[in-house]
Amino acid sequence: QQNVQQSPESLIVPEGARTSLNCTFSDSASQYFWWYRQHSGKAPKALMSIFSNGEKEEGRFTIHLNKASLHFSLHIRDSQPSDSALYLCAVRNRGSALGRLHFGAGTQLIVIP
Amino acid sequence: GGIITQTPKFLIGQEGQKLTLKCQQNFNHDTMYWYRQDSGKGLRLIYYSITENDLQKGDLSEGYDASREKKSSFSLTVTSAQKNEMAVFLCASSLQGAPGNTLYFGEGSRLIVV
Repeated sequence: QQNVQQSPESLIVPEGARTSLNCTFSDSASQYFWWYRQHSGKAPKALMSIFSNGEKEEGRFTIHLNKASLHFSLHIRDSQPSDSALYLCAVRNRGSALGRLHFGAGTQLIVIP
Repeated sequence: GGIITQTPKFLIGQEGQKLTLKCQQNFNHDTMYWYRQDSGKGLRLIYYSITENDLQKGDLSEGYDASREKKSSFSLTVTSAQKNEMAVFLCASSLQGAPGNTLYFGEGSRLIVV
């Protein structure tokens, strides 16, 4: 059974800071990894995904994956107040073609102007 | 782009009552899901469906029923509402067939049990 853990639970940073969010998973067969972002009262939306070891950058956001360490992370450069949201990491196992995702409990990020 | 519509946004019921949440999607996606979101516990899968009239249990299916009447709609019924069940219920959909497919979510329905 997949166990997905996120840290920290919450984070308060000043505008312009670099922010790092962490996610660990337990199943070494995991192959597909997402970060979702959920603004208060809104739908979670996929922010970034990564399917192979290494790093992927999209604008101010960078995702790192290290499968051997069972760890992936999201880094936000020049954090903005609009980045304030709940960040959820999600993992899908190899062969799970039916789309079943396992989610972490989330990190609540607050960016102070 | 498409949209997922969940109704009602707030559902208030009495303890022991049977309550139903509805979800519609216009993405033409094959697979639909119901997740429960509790504060501090992330999203937990209740039921999912890979096609019309198909139902698959998730990790939290006890106390719930689901129905996939047609490709675009997926309903979730709380069979006997309990106060410890107050949470946000999220509907999602995705294309079938590739594990890299992203899930798209609705804004959620909040269940309040009095």
